[in-house]
Amino acid sequence: KQEVTQIPAALSVPEGENLVLNCSFTDSAIYNLQWFRQDPGKGLTSLLLIQSSQREQTSGRLNASLDKSSGRSTLYIAASQPGDSATYLCAAHAAGNKLTFGGGTRVLVKP
Amino acid sequence: DTGVSQDPRHKITKRGQNVTFRCDPISEHNRLYWYRQTLGQGPEFLTYFQNEAQLEKSRLLSDRFSAERPKGSFSTLEIQRTEQGDSAMYLCASSSYMEEPNYGYTFGSGTRLTVV
Repeated sequence: KQEVTQIPAALSVPEGENLVLNCSFTDSAIYNLQWFRQDPGKGLTSLLLIQSSQREQTSGRLNASLDKSSGRSTLYIAASQPGDSATYLCAAHAAGNKLTFGGGTRVLVKP
Repeated sequence: DTGVSQDPRHKITKRGQNVTFRCDPISEHNRLYWYRQTLGQGPEFLTYFQNEAQLEKSRLLSDRFSAERPKGSFSTLEIQRTEQGDSAMYLCASSSYMEEPNYGYTFGSGTRLTVV
């Protein structure tokens, strides 16, 4: 059974610092790994999707890496801004046509 | 059609009442998923449809829960005899079988259920 863990559970940084969010998964037989953002009381917004054959994906200030052999993915957010404050969730897409989510990392960027 | 729509956004109900939520997926997506998210946790899989067929149900989906997708378009999730433990955000997502796994899932904004 796939298990996904995100560490840390919460993170507070001053504006301008780079953010590093970690995600680990137990079953390396994944199709892809997807990172989402969730604002309080809202749904999920997809940020980046890394296919199993890829090592990283980039979008603007966001960069996500994937190491299947070690069961890890990392989301980097460069030059953080207060608007980046949210919960970030990673999810592994494996056999069974469903996503397995981590518990999320709650990020606060202080002005 | 620019995304996944869920209705209502918020629902407050008394314990023991029945509630029904609706999800309208992206029109060309043939797969539809329901997830439940409790406070401070990641979403958990409940069930999914490919077209009108319900292909998998989680053990989280007790007998009080039923989901339908009658014409392979919108879907409904009904909870009978609600309990306080049913209070959660119910999220719907859709995807295209032809595009998976390359393009991932698109989620709706969710329905927040509060059972009092």
